[in-house]
Amino acid sequence: AQSVTQLDSHVSVSEGTPVLLRCNYSSSYSPSLFWYVQHPNKGLQLLLKYTSAATLVKGINGFEAEFKKSETSFHLTKPSAHMSDAAEYFCVVITRGGGGFKTIFGAGTRLFVKA
Amino acid sequence: GAGVSQSPRYKVAKRGQDVALRCDPISGHVSLFWYQQALGQGPEFLTYFQNEAQLDKSGLPSDRFFAERPEGSVSTLKIQRTQQEDSAVYLCASSSQTRQGAGNQPQHFGDGTRLSIL
Repeated sequence: AQSVTQLDSHVSVSEGTPVLLRCNYSSSYSPSLFWYVQHPNKGLQLLLKYTSAATLVKGINGFEAEFKKSETSFHLTKPSAHMSDAAEYFCVVITRGGGGFKTIFGAGTRLFVKA
Repeated sequence: GAGVSQSPRYKVAKRGQDVALRCDPISGHVSLFWYQQALGQGPEFLTYFQNEAQLDKSGLPSDRFFAERPEGSVSTLKIQRTQQEDSAVYLCASSSQTRQGAGNQPQHFGDGTRLSIL
C-alpha cells in the first residue's frame, strides 16, 4: 500500500538554526515526491520536487531535500531558518494506482521559528 | 502569470442548503483535482479530471458531493443538502500531468474556498 509519513507534527527552531522536516514514504512503484508549504489562509506552494533525476533536489527559499531510496525517505532541510519560514509543510507522493495516478499527502508538519 | 483561481474565497451557508464552488485552472492544464482540508489536517483527495472526463471520484464522501468540468477547463464542486461536517477548506489544483505521462508533474493550488456550515 502507498503511504506517506511525516514523522513530526510540530518542529520548533530558532531563527538562524538549521531546519529538518522528516518524511518517509511507501510505494510499490518509483514515486515522484514533492514538498509543499502552506501559509495561513493560503493554498499550497510547491517548494521542490524529485522525479528520478538527481537525488539531492534544490528548491525555492533555500530549501533542499535528499531522496534516499534505501531508507525510503525524502527529508526537507534548510541551513538557516527565517521567521518567514513559519508555516505548515506537506510531503506529497504521486505514484501509480487505480489505473492512473494517486496523490498521497502526509499529515503535515507545522514549523515554528523563534526569534 | 495567472495561477489557479477559486471562488468564492469564503462561503457561509445554513445546514441543508446547496453550495457551488468554482475553480479556474491554469490555462492549458489538462488535469484538475479537488481536495477537502479540514482544520489542522492535510488535504484529502476528492476527485480528479483529465480534460472533461472525471477519471477518479473515489474520494467524494457521499452522493451529496458532485463535481463537473463540462468543457475541460473551469470546474464546479457542488454540495447538496450541506451538513456541518462539510465545513472545511476546499482546494483545487491543476497540473499538466496526463494519464499516460510519467507522473512527475507538480500540482498548482488555488487559495481555496473556506466553507462554513451553520
